[in-house]
Amino acid sequence: DAKTTQPNSMESNEEEPVHLPCNHSTISGTDYIHWYRQLPSQGPEYVIHGLTSNVNNRMASLAIAEDRKSSTLILHRATLRDAAVYYCILRDIQGAQKLVFGQGTRLTINP
Amino acid sequence: DTGVSQDPRHKITKRGQNVTFRCDPISEHNRLYWYRQTLGQGPEFLTYFQNEAQLEKSRLLSDRFSAERPKGSFSTLEIQRTEQGDSAMYLCASSLLPRRRGGTEAFFGQGTRLTVV
Repeated sequence: DAKTTQPNSMESNEEEPVHLPCNHSTISGTDYIHWYRQLPSQGPEYVIHGLTSNVNNRMASLAIAEDRKSSTLILHRATLRDAAVYYCILRDIQGAQKLVFGQGTRLTINP
Repeated sequence: DTGVSQDPRHKITKRGQNVTFRCDPISEHNRLYWYRQTLGQGPEFLTYFQNEAQLEKSRLLSDRFSAERPKGSFSTLEIQRTEQGDSAMYLCASSLLPRRRGGTEAFFGQGTRLTVV
C-alpha cells in the first residue's frame, strides 16, 4: 500500500485559512488522494478526494501538485469544530478500496 | 437512515472471555469494513465484506477473531479468549460499490471501545 507523509501536528487560529500538507512520492496511476478527519471520540469522516485536478466541496479544497507527489488540504476559514486529526490516504480504485491510515496530522485551532 | 451504528459503544471484559460486537451499516451499502484503532494511532484495516462474502482479511486478524455478515446486512466481529493487547477501538465502516471514479466515501460508525482487564 502506498504511503503518505504528514506533519504530526499543526496549529492555527480561528477564522484563518489552514493548509495541511501531504507527501506521497510513491503514488501510482490508479491511486486517488483521499482525506478523512477524526474528531475526538468519533469515527473518521470523509472530507474530500481527487485524482489530478484541484477539487472543492463545502468542507474544504484539495490542491494536487502537477506531478501528484504531494497535495494540500485547505480549510478556508477554520473554526473550533475543525480541530481533529486529518488523514491523507492513497486509495486504489481497484480491489478492496480499503483505507490505509497513517498517523495523520493533529490540528489544533486557537480561539 | 441515521448512518452506521455500532453496539455496544463500550465493553469491559476479563482476559480470556469472548466478546462480540455488532455493526449495522447504511442500508443500501454493499461493502462493510472493520478497523481497529489503538491510542494515538490511525485505524488499521482488519477485514471487509462485499454483501455477505468476506473478501479480504488482514494478517492482524488472528485465529481468535472471526467476522460474519450473514445476510449482507449487519455484521458481527467476535474475539475469542480476549487478551490485554486486544484493548482498542473497533470501528466499522460501510460504502457503496465504486460506480464512479475515485471510489465512494466510506461512512464510519462511532466505534466500540474494548477494554480487556
